[in-house]
Amino acid sequence: GEDVEQSLFLSVREGDSSVINCTYTDSSSTYLYWYKQEPGAGLQLLTYIFSNMDMKQDQRLTVLLNKKDKHLSLRIADTQTGDSAIYFCAESPNILTGGGNKLTFGTGTQLKVEL
Amino acid sequence: NAGVTQTPKFRVLKTGQSMTLLCAQDMNHEYMYWYRQDPGMGLRLIHYSVGEGTTAKGEVPDGYNVSRLKKQNFLLGLESAAPSQTSVYFCASSAFFSGKGNEQFFGPGTRLTVL
Repeated sequence: GEDVEQSLFLSVREGDSSVINCTYTDSSSTYLYWYKQEPGAGLQLLTYIFSNMDMKQDQRLTVLLNKKDKHLSLRIADTQTGDSAIYFCAESPNILTGGGNKLTFGTGTQLKVEL
Repeated sequence: NAGVTQTPKFRVLKTGQSMTLLCAQDMNHEYMYWYRQDPGMGLRLIHYSVGEGTTAKGEVPDGYNVSRLKKQNFLLGLESAAPSQTSVYFCASSAFFSGKGNEQFFGPGTRLTVL
């Protein structure tokens, strides 16, 4: 089945860039996502990338996708204390194959931003 | 527009007791999901529904039952709670098609402890 892997922890200093990495196994993934979970809250979609794209930029966020290596990364520029959260990578198959839009989530990366 | 709501927010059960978690969404979404979140394991799909009156098993369905009698509600039942079911439970919903791939909207979670 599908598998999505991430490192568990990342610590950065305020103002530095953060890079969170993810690897996945399902080559038929059509969308790949980054969700953010703040303490005591549910997950919120941060950004996503379609599988035919290599890069997507959205303000301080840059998503890079290497389909050959099945590697996804999220770069947060000028990291702030408010970025401290758990970041989940997720992938989904072609929605036209059915299965109810299921997502497969990684284990999550706890980002800690230090002053 | 409340999005996805979950009831209750916290619950403590004794082994063998039963309970039902309620999820409600007001976005007219076709798909609904129940996940559990455990440290170091990310989110794992318990059951999901692709429409009113339908349910399907996810990755970790054992010990849980679900029902979707109304489109806006998705109930998760534990018939005989076990300590291994101590977890944070998240409900999510998604539209059949959205402008952001298979974006799922999450509730705030229910923290369940089984003693």
